Amino acid sequence: GAVVSQHPSWVICKSGTSVKIECRSLDFQATTMFWYRQFPKQSLMLMATSNEGSKATYEQGVEKDKFLINHASLTLSTLTVTSAHPEDSSFYICSARAQGGSYNEQFFGPGTRLTVL
Amino acid sequence: AQKVTQAQTEISVVEKEDVTLDCVYETRDTTYYLFWYKQPPSGELVFLIRRNSFDEQNEISGRYSWNFQKSTSSFNFTITASQVVDSAVYFCALGRGAGNKLTFGGGTRVLVKP
Repeated sequence: GAVVSQHPSWVICKSGTSVKIECRSLDFQATTMFWYRQFPKQSLMLMATSNEGSKATYEQGVEKDKFLINHASLTLSTLTVTSAHPEDSSFYICSARAQGGSYNEQFFGPGTRLTVL
Repeated sequence: AQKVTQAQTEISVVEKEDVTLDCVYETRDTTYYLFWYKQPPSGELVFLIRRNSFDEQNEISGRYSWNFQKSTSSFNFTITASQVVDSAVYFCALGRGAGNKLTFGGGTRVLVKP
């Protein structure tokens, strides 16, 4: 149980285009999902916290107009990188927090590697 | 503000050697959680352990063991008799409540040579 998937697992796009990354909780309902970014050989940095049915909360320094987050259901959150540039190339990882009980912890997705040419 | 420091950026050992990864954290919270994750070359984070701030018991799981010292704000991780498959980046993380956002340390890359 407690599986989180991400799609796509990797994507290459041209500079100036937009890319959407999906994060799904497969066997549980996630009221909260988190989006992290990891540059090569660096740590994970939290970008935003996404709550189902409400606006995401962005960390300081993260452009909310560039990284659009939508958490429309209890099993799906999407991150759209708008007008992507080479500096946005990174590994994007989501995690999901289950509702209540013993599942009050985060489960991580496998990550999406974005390369912007 | 919360902070996690992993002073060792890279450790290289020969198979069967023990390796200890240091983690020092800073928080003003009285209730918090500490985690260790393994990130192999594939990139997917593998959960290793969660410890809450009220439980200072050390833990052993197979070849892995953890030493939580609240007095020194440290949560160190030891791999005994290392194997090549242990080669990965290991992250220590601090969170408020088990399900809240995490602050990660910089990671320690472990290379186990045959």
